[in-house]
Amino acid sequence: NAGVTQTPKFRVLKTGQSMTLLCAQDMNHEYMYWYRQDPGMGLRLIHYSVGEGTTAKGEVPDGYNVSRLKKQNFLLGLESAAPSQTSVYFCASSPSRAGGLDTQYFGPGTRLTVL
Amino acid sequence: ILNVEQSPQSLHVQEGDSTNFTCSFPSSNFYALHWYRWETAKSPEALFVMTLNGDEKKKGRISATLNTKEGYSYLYIKGSQPEDSATYLCAPLDSWGKLQFGAGTQVVVTP
Repeated sequence: NAGVTQTPKFRVLKTGQSMTLLCAQDMNHEYMYWYRQDPGMGLRLIHYSVGEGTTAKGEVPDGYNVSRLKKQNFLLGLESAAPSQTSVYFCASSPSRAGGLDTQYFGPGTRLTVL
Repeated sequence: ILNVEQSPQSLHVQEGDSTNFTCSFPSSNFYALHWYRWETAKSPEALFVMTLNGDEKKKGRISATLNTKEGYSYLYIKGSQPEDSATYLCAPLDSWGKLQFGAGTQVVVTP
């Protein structure tokens, strides 16, 4: 099993450009998450999904959109990139709600720089 | 959103020494506590999930305790080894079923 994979690993954008980050998991997990990680701060939840066809806002959703058309994929879109979106983006998945004994499995991250 | 604080932000430990560090959070508004280990250039990996029973968890030389009444958790590393060098993240589960991650404690073990 590949676990959680993210594409691309690195990307440099100019302000105003758009892009989509792809997260894929092969563990048949119901829940998927997008986080951003900035220096000195904890992982902050951008959006999440509790199942195919559903999405919900997290802590810092502004400027991002997501889609979960297939259970194994969770896409994060930036319609008009801003320098404040320079960050490392992590995708994660979990079998069900992250309570009890269910943990989240993280992808390798995407380092995004917006100039 | 839970206010999660981890201290210290970083610490240096000599190989063979033991160490511990803290995660604190509002005691009244969480439903479980997760600990993750994050090595440089890798992804965070789950260490422990602690439920409100407050039992101690142990994995090799690493253990964790949870005080649900006062809202803190300690992570202990006994006999630190260079491979223990990593950032350790705690994340209480809030009432919305989402993990609120702290900024982490970076541990550097020197030979």
